[in-house]
Amino acid sequence: AQSVSQHNHHVILSEAASLELGCNYSYGGTVNLFWYVQYPGQHLQLLLKYFSGDPLVKGIKGFEAEFIKSKFSFNLRKPSVQWSDTAEYFCAVRGSQGNLIFGKGTKLSVKP
Amino acid sequence: ETGVTQTPRHLVMGMTNKKSLKCEQHLGHNAMYWYKQSAKKPLELMFVYNFKEQTENNSVPSRFSPECPNSSHLFLHLHTLQPEDSALYLCASSQESRSDKYQETQYFGPGTRLLVL
Repeated sequence: AQSVSQHNHHVILSEAASLELGCNYSYGGTVNLFWYVQYPGQHLQLLLKYFSGDPLVKGIKGFEAEFIKSKFSFNLRKPSVQWSDTAEYFCAVRGSQGNLIFGKGTKLSVKP
Repeated sequence: ETGVTQTPRHLVMGMTNKKSLKCEQHLGHNAMYWYKQSAKKPLELMFVYNFKEQTENNSVPSRFSPECPNSSHLFLHLHTLQPEDSALYLCASSQESRSDKYQETQYFGPGTRLLVL
């Protein structure tokens, strides 16, 4: 069965620290990969996505993710986090029925 | 962000009640989805409506009944729910093409937080 694994449940960083959130998926076919973010009190928003092409994908607010096929990974990165990045981050892969299969999410807390 | 709206935002119901959740998308999309987000569990797909036809029900209990009267509206009818059905119910929509199916980004609503007593 298709699945997504996010390694960290809760990450706490100080402002200006670098961020890397891990995501691994299990799916043997062509993959569409996504990172969604949910800010406190707000709905899920797309951060970035990978369908094909350049495996290094740039998203909004300075985030990027790298698709490494050999490692089945799609880790999210940001060189310098801000307090406003405090949110929950969800990695997802598109399933065979068009649905999104999500990981459990990683809560990021950025200390000012 | 008003692309996908959901009402009500919060709902408390007893196990014998009947209620409905409503989702409306203003993006001109042709596919809509219901997801369930429970505490400490990944979001789970419940239903997919693509071109107004239900294409996936993912073994959801019959106490959940979806309805898609047109491509802009999606309902989730609830009856005789159990306390373990308490969760955040999220609606999403996307624009899918018949030839390049399931290639587009899904946009989510704010969710309805449901508490079953």
